[in-house]
Amino acid sequence: DTEVTQTPKHLVMGMTNKKSLKCEQHMGHRAMYWYKQKAKKPPELMFVYSYEKLSINESVPSRFSPECPNSSLLNLHLHALQPEDSALYLCASSQDPAGSLSSEQYFGPGTRLTVT
Amino acid sequence: GDSVTQMEGPVTLSEEAFLTINCTYTATGYPSLFWYVQYPGEGLQLLLKATKADDKGSNKGFEATYRKETTSFHLEKGSVQVSDSAVYFCALSGESGGFKTIFGAGTRLFVKA
Repeated sequence: DTEVTQTPKHLVMGMTNKKSLKCEQHMGHRAMYWYKQKAKKPPELMFVYSYEKLSINESVPSRFSPECPNSSLLNLHLHALQPEDSALYLCASSQDPAGSLSSEQYFGPGTRLTVT
Repeated sequence: GDSVTQMEGPVTLSEEAFLTINCTYTATGYPSLFWYVQYPGEGLQLLLKATKADDKGSNKGFEATYRKETTSFHLEKGSVQVSDSAVYFCALSGESGGFKTIFGAGTRLFVKA
């Protein structure tokens, strides 16, 4: 199984809602990532978990809260988002722990988030 | 800091044409270099990679050679197909960037039948 799955595929939420994005991989990878991608732009790194511990937080606003319940699962909890947070949210995983030179990443299909 | 520069798109080619997408990088030491592809409505997929100077990565007819002397990793394909239409991202991961993956801006490729 070389797949990273993400749910939901699409999400529309109001600025006062609380929702969660989910990501799962069963490749035994030890690092998992959240990226934000705006239209026609490259992905921007948000968070990295290595061995289930948060190792990188790219100064993301606190309205985004990551969680790694176990080595296969990664969640992104959303609260009080702004319309400018509308984007494609991508999850990725890599076999090598974050901080490894050749750690190619496997991406999920993303969650298309719209904040109204 | 580390950076990746790609040629601007979009690039429009006819089927069976030769493809080159230029990529240059700035980094100290010996980063690993990658090409990722993003098809419409999907996440990114690793296309190929190279981890040391003069390495050639190849996959699905695409090739790129790690050129340390010119700090380049240009993507080439001899004969493109309509199904190659996508956005291509050059990327690097190196010690000077804390091993975070740094992506180029992306180059959109359209292939006409």
